[in-house]
Amino acid sequence: GVTQSPTHLIKTRGQQVTLRCSSQSGHNTVSWYQQALGQGPQFIFQYYREEENGRGNFPPRFSGLQFPNDSSELNVNALELDDSALYLCASSSNEDTQYFGPGTRLTVL
Amino acid sequence: GESVGLHLPTLSVQEGDNSIINCAYSNSASDYFIWYKQESGKGPQFIIDIRSNMDKRQGQRVTVLLNKTVKHLSLQIAATQPGDSAVYFCAERAMDTGRRALTFGSGTRLQVQP
Repeated sequence: GVTQSPTHLIKTRGQQVTLRCSSQSGHNTVSWYQQALGQGPQFIFQYYREEENGRGNFPPRFSGLQFPNDSSELNVNALELDDSALYLCASSSNEDTQYFGPGTRLTVL
Repeated sequence: GESVGLHLPTLSVQEGDNSIINCAYSNSASDYFIWYKQESGKGPQFIIDIRSNMDKRQGQRVTVLLNKTVKHLSLQIAATQPGDSAVYFCAERAMDTGRRALTFGSGTRLQVQP
């Protein structure tokens, strides 16, 4: 399945953070979502074969990488209080179903 | 664990009853729809999906109905069990985006009373 690390993370405003995801084996597409408390996940961006394949309404300080070994990263610079959320990674193959990891809970103080 | 969906619409059912969770979607270009279940402290778990060329699909104890005319999706859970208690999200993918990004609804909390 899809795994994410760390489980929880606490940062202060202005810091930078890197979240990691390991996709399901054989999946070539990874998507990242932000889920604020009480809301549905919101699409941040998607990577297909190591290239960004679409982006949601998030500023450039949200960036990502996808590696050939089925792993990926979400980087957030200049953290703001509103960045506090559950960050979800989802992987998919050429089929449409996206399988989610357990998420990383980021708290910005 | 954390609480998902503090102010969500809530559906409360008795154990053994059937549950119906509804969802309205907005994009007429959406061609693919998924239902996810999310328990507190966990990521969304795939339940069932349906493409726009179908109007009904059945899984184990679950059925998804799609009405494209009124842009409505529903999830039916038969013989609801306490383990079904969670927040349920519908998600859509629009074929005009050129990518597989999903747009999620706001969710419904299902509470199963024993």
